[in-house]
Amino acid sequence: SQQGEEDPQALSIQEGENATMNCSYKTSINNLQWYRQNSGRGLVHLILIRSNEREKHSGRLRVTLDTSKKSSSLLITASRAADTASYFCATAVSSGNTPLVFGKGTRLSVIA
Amino acid sequence: KAGVTQTPRYLIKTRGQQVTLSCSPISGHRSVSWYQQTPGQGLQFLFEYFSETQRNKGNFPGRFSGRQFSNSRSEMNVSTLELGDSALYLCASSAGTGTPLVYGYTFGSGTRLTVV
Repeated sequence: SQQGEEDPQALSIQEGENATMNCSYKTSINNLQWYRQNSGRGLVHLILIRSNEREKHSGRLRVTLDTSKKSSSLLITASRAADTASYFCATAVSSGNTPLVFGKGTRLSVIA
Repeated sequence: KAGVTQTPRYLIKTRGQQVTLSCSPISGHRSVSWYQQTPGQGLQFLFEYFSETQRNKGNFPGRFSGRQFSNSRSEMNVSTLELGDSALYLCASSAGTGTPLVYGYTFGSGTRLTVV
């Protein structure tokens, strides 16, 4: 079963605009990760944020984490056509031998 | 350094046949995980291997099996294929050695399996 749920399921924006995707999860986590997948390809790791962190930046990416609300957001600033892809959040739980669990993703389309 | 390599890239099989998929992780990575991706179910965890031992298994029937070799390369096997097994099978390796998972995964490009 999915631990994380992304919202919205699909997002269409113009090039140059910002894109925000949200992720909600259910259990206590050690960290939350965001991945990108171009059509039919493997996933690419974008960023990892630990449970004791609230915000993290990487280039045009900004990730926030609110453990009290069990939610995270991924912001892509100044979107480009090349950012068109599906974005997934994945959670690593705090304890136990549990694999990385992925949400169903947000499909982002950036129109040039 | 070389990424995660999955072979073959595409595969077409007939119902009832079996198939073996291969994954070579990043050099030095001992953890290999397999996921099945379908449009309806998203990414579903199949199993994880670490140092030749299956450390975790997802909720899939016994027709799905896997193994890991001493060089960390991994294979997964699906026997008695069904139409519903058509999916993108993704392999991922990680530098992590324990739990919880504190490192990101590096994914291969996947094997697209079509069962007809």
